[in-house]
Amino acid sequence: EIVMTQSPATLSVSPGERATLSCRASQSVSSNLAWYQQKPGQAPRLLIYGASTRATGIPARFSGSGSGTEFTLTISSLQSEDFAVYYCQQYNNWPLITFGQGTRLEIK
Amino acid sequence: EVQLVESGGGLVQPGGSLRLSCAASGFTFSSYSMNWVRQAPGKGLEWVSYISSSSSTIYYADSVKGRFTISRDNAKNSLYLQMNSLRAEDTAVYYCARARADYGPFDYWGQGTLVTVSS
Repeated sequence: EIVMTQSPATLSVSPGERATLSCRASQSVSSNLAWYQQKPGQAPRLLIYGASTRATGIPARFSGSGSGTEFTLTISSLQSEDFAVYYCQQYNNWPLITFGQGTRLEIK
Repeated sequence: EVQLVESGGGLVQPGGSLRLSCAASGFTFSSYSMNWVRQAPGKGLEWVSYISSSSSTIYYADSVKGRFTISRDNAKNSLYLQMNSLRAEDTAVYYCARARADYGPFDYWGQGTLVTVSS
């Protein structure tokens, strides 16, 4: 099983500032990496797939980068609605799909 | 508009059974692979099961293999999860999720249905 490790567990950032979230895979997942946003009481929402492609309707302030084992989600200028939990997911190793444990992005 | 609506959750005793349903609309259901993903209270996401568009390929997480059965009815635009021999650790919100491509990420999710296994 590929273990996905996200850091930090909690990130405190002020509105308008940049947030950088990291995700590391225990072995290469190529570019088969997705990022999801989840707000309290809601289902996850796909933000990024293929490590760097924004999903439909996702604002340009969200960007993803990386390949292999190291990945980054960057939110360029935080809006109030961006404070949530973010999960990375590898889908390279079907059927052993795995998610990271999540990064909570909170208002500083 | 793509919609996925889960139902069938509830309180069940350990060892009991439950059948979850997911009603799909707004897209050609028969063309997409589907998944079940769960989230224990206050915890992260865990993939549970996958079924291809024609039901020819099915996968399960080791944690549910032999106890859960995924199925679909393309004529009814519906996805199912039959859960038997339920354990306390199966307590979670269960989401159905559409795969963007056959083995791709999950681009649409339902709102989830809560399954509580407790005596």
